[in-house]
Amino acid sequence: EIVLTQSPGTLSLSPGERATLSCRASQSVSSSYLAWYQQKPGQAPRLLIYGASSRATGIPDRFSGSGSGTDFTLTISRLEPEDFAVYYCQQYGSSALTFGGGTKVEIK
Amino acid sequence: QLQLQESGSGLVKPSQTLSLTCAVSGGSISSGGYSWSWIRQPPGKGLEWIGYIYHSGSTYYNPSLKSRVTISVDRSKNQFSLKLSSVTAADTAVYYCARQRAGQFDPWGQGTLVTVSS
Repeated sequence: EIVLTQSPGTLSLSPGERATLSCRASQSVSSSYLAWYQQKPGQAPRLLIYGASSRATGIPDRFSGSGSGTDFTLTISRLEPEDFAVYYCQQYGSSALTFGGGTKVEIK
Repeated sequence: QLQLQESGSGLVKPSQTLSLTCAVSGGSISSGGYSWSWIRQPPGKGLEWIGYIYHSGSTYYNPSLKSRVTISVDRSKNQFSLKLSSVTAADTAVYYCARQRAGQFDPWGQGTLVTVSS
């Protein structure tokens, strides 16, 4: 099983600042199968990024994904008030899927 | 627009079987290229993939849950279902259904809380 480790656990930032979230895999992940989700309290997760760097439909361009192999990054260029949430990375390989533990982006 | 809606018992006794259904609207569950998944989230914790079923009926389960999980599809009702046997308090969670393609989940249902308690 591929283990995804997200860091930091919590990121305290102000609106307008840049957020950089990390997702590290225990073994190489195909870039085609690395996704990022946003989850707000009481809501289901929402797909943000798929294929490591492609934005899902309707996702603002302040969200971007990058990386390959075992290291992936989600960047929010300028935080808007609605971006404060928990973010999860997720991988798919060998018919099995795993999620990272999540990074909470909170208002400083 | 595809929508998914979970339903089922919100309270299950320990050792019994949890049963949930996900109704799909705005599209056909038989559409090629997609699979249909269950994911859960214990209160205050992260996400755990449970398993998925292809339109063909092939299933894949999380190895940690495989012995207790069954996912099935009812094409006539455009829905798919989850059964989890021998539940314990550790199975208390919000259970989500979602469509999966190329390893990504989109869209998701709103989720349903299942509590395991006597």
